[in-house]
Amino acid sequence: VLTQSPGALSLSPGERATLSCRASQSVSGNYFAWYQQKPGQAPRLLIYGVSSRATGIPDRFSGSGSGTDFTLTITSLAPEDFAVYFCQQYGGSPLTFGGGTKVEI
Amino acid sequence: EVQLVESGGALVQPGGSLRLSCEASGSSFNTYNMNWLRHAPGKGLEWVSYISPSSSTIYYAESVKGRFTISRDNAKNSLYLQMDSLRDEDTAIYYCARDGGYGDFVFWYFALWGRGTLVTVSS
Repeated sequence: VLTQSPGALSLSPGERATLSCRASQSVSGNYFAWYQQKPGQAPRLLIYGVSSRATGIPDRFSGSGSGTDFTLTITSLAPEDFAVYFCQQYGGSPLTFGGGTKVEI
Repeated sequence: EVQLVESGGALVQPGGSLRLSCEASGSSFNTYNMNWLRHAPGKGLEWVSYISPSSSTIYYAESVKGRFTISRDNAKNSLYLQMDSLRDEDTAIYYCARDGGYGDFVFWYFALWGRGTLVTVSS
């Protein structure tokens, strides 16, 4: 089970966002990803392999962590970053996703 | 830019059937490892099914095994999900998604998603 915290985060443009995802058991390897989803849009891959940015993802997005604790950091929120973010582990079966963190203004 | 577009979602009665489709733009669909995932109201995302580029390898989540069938037609750049014996708990937005790997390499994270199609199972 992946538990994301906080459930919602109220911030202003330019601020730093720190999103947490905790696994109920250690995630094998570096098999951890983060996604962004805006209302009515397709989810977008941000981070895979714990810390590798997907193609076209700005460097204000970074991922870190190991074992059971993982973090997505957005160093300076841009207006387009207000969205729902969810985590995924793919080191074990079944694949599992977190419940999401909403980053709102 | 490659896009995935799902269709076929609808309101269906319990016990009924539905066929979802996902059409990919671009010319490399025959190298994609493809998946269906779903997001039920109030729940986290759930992986549903996987199919390899040649259709030789297929996996299902336990929750849908024996009821859902994944398939693809590379000539039509299309992925399908045949859903039979539908239950209330199958109500969700269904997404098709491309794996991060190509060909024989399957990474199990999802590099490209469609916008989803809504399936509602209710009497």
